Parts: sequence; structure tokens; C-alpha cells
Amino acid sequence: SQKIEQNSEALNIQEGKTATLTCNYTNYSPAYLQWYRQDPGRGPVFLLLIRENEKEKRKERLKVTFDTTLKQSLFHITASQPADSATYLCALDQTGGYNKLIFGAGTRLAVHP
Amino acid sequence: GAVVSQHPSWVICKSGTSVKIECRSLDFQATTMFWYRQFPKQSLMLMATSNEGSKATYEQGVEKDKFLINHASLTLSTLTVTSAHPEDSSFYICSALTSGGVDEQFFGPGTRLTVL
Repeated sequence: SQKIEQNSEALNIQEGKTATLTCNYTNYSPAYLQWYRQDPGRGPVFLLLIRENEKEKRKERLKVTFDTTLKQSLFHITASQPADSATYLCALDQTGGYNKLIFGAGTRLAVHP
Repeated sequence: GAVVSQHPSWVICKSGTSVKIECRSLDFQATTMFWYRQFPKQSLMLMATSNEGSKATYEQGVEKDKFLINHASLTLSTLTVTSAHPEDSSFYICSALTSGGVDEQFFGPGTRLTVL
């Protein structure tokens, strides 16, 4: 079955450092992958989408890579700030289901001053 | 940017009652909306796809008679949890798909349902 794995342990980093989050998937060939931010008790907020034919995408301090051979995406936040503290979810389109997403459980990021 | 609202933001009900949750796209038309459920520390699980003017498509394992979905207009979809039980207590989130080929879903703020 299709499976998405994100590091369930919280990632603690110091302000100003680069945070790197990992998303791995199996039994799957998604057409695109998305990253979302979710704050406690709130719905996810879209951050970036990267397609299968793209290796890297950037948006301000965010960078996403997509390695379809390794079946892995890396999400980077450079010059991290305490306001970046949240849970970050990766999501992939379901096979055969246009725009239907499968989400990972998310990785909680804590940026300390 | 595209804004999606949900109402209510939280609700507490007694076991056996029905609860309706509304999802609205405020500044765009959404022919497709999705309903998700999220338990604590778990991922969002897609429950159903709601298309304006047609019957919803439910994911495997989701009871369509228990979770009634109506998408009567291009800006409103409703989810009714019928005969709610404590195990239905969860965080329900909707999303709306914009047209224009960007494949981006905009999510509502979620509704916390607690069934006593």
C-alpha cells in the first residue's frame, strides 16, 4: 500500500540555523509532492508544490528537493526563526486520484531563540 | 489569497445526535472540496471528495450514510455526522480546490468535534 513517512520525532534547532525535514514514500510514483505547515488546532497552510520532473524548488527561505529515485523529498528552512515553529506535513497525490492527497503524519519543528 | 472558512470551529454534542459542519470558499468558486479527519498526532485522512452538483465520493472504510456530504453550491459544502458517537470525536478539516491548474488546495481552519 502507499505509505508516507516523516520523522515522528520533533526537530529542535537554534534560531538562524537551517532546518531540514525528510519525507520518504514507498509503493508509489506521485506526479507531485506538496509541503504544508500546520499550527496546533488549525488547518494546514500550503507552502510549496514540486512536480516529479522538478528536482528543486525555492520560495523565499524555503527550499524543497524531490528525488524520485530515492523516493524522498527534503524540506529546508534557512535562517530559521522561532515563528517557524510548527508541524510540517508532506503530501502526495494519490495514484489515480486527481488532486486527492495522502498526508504524512508530520514533523514538529521547534526553533529556539 | 484564497480563503476557506469552516463553521463551527468547535462543537460538543451528545451521543446519538447529528452535527453539521459547513465549509465555505470565501473569495473563489470551488467545484471540488475535500473532507479530512485528523486524530491527535496523526496525519490527515481523506474521507471524501465533494463535487458541486453531484454525489460525494467516499474513501474506503468511510460510511457514506454516517457522514453525509452535500455540495449544493460552488462555495459551500456541508458534512453532517449522523448519530454521532464518542469515537467520531476528531478534528474535521475541509479543503477547496481552485481552478486554474495550480493543483493547490486551500484548507479551512478545522472543526473540533467532541461527542460526549
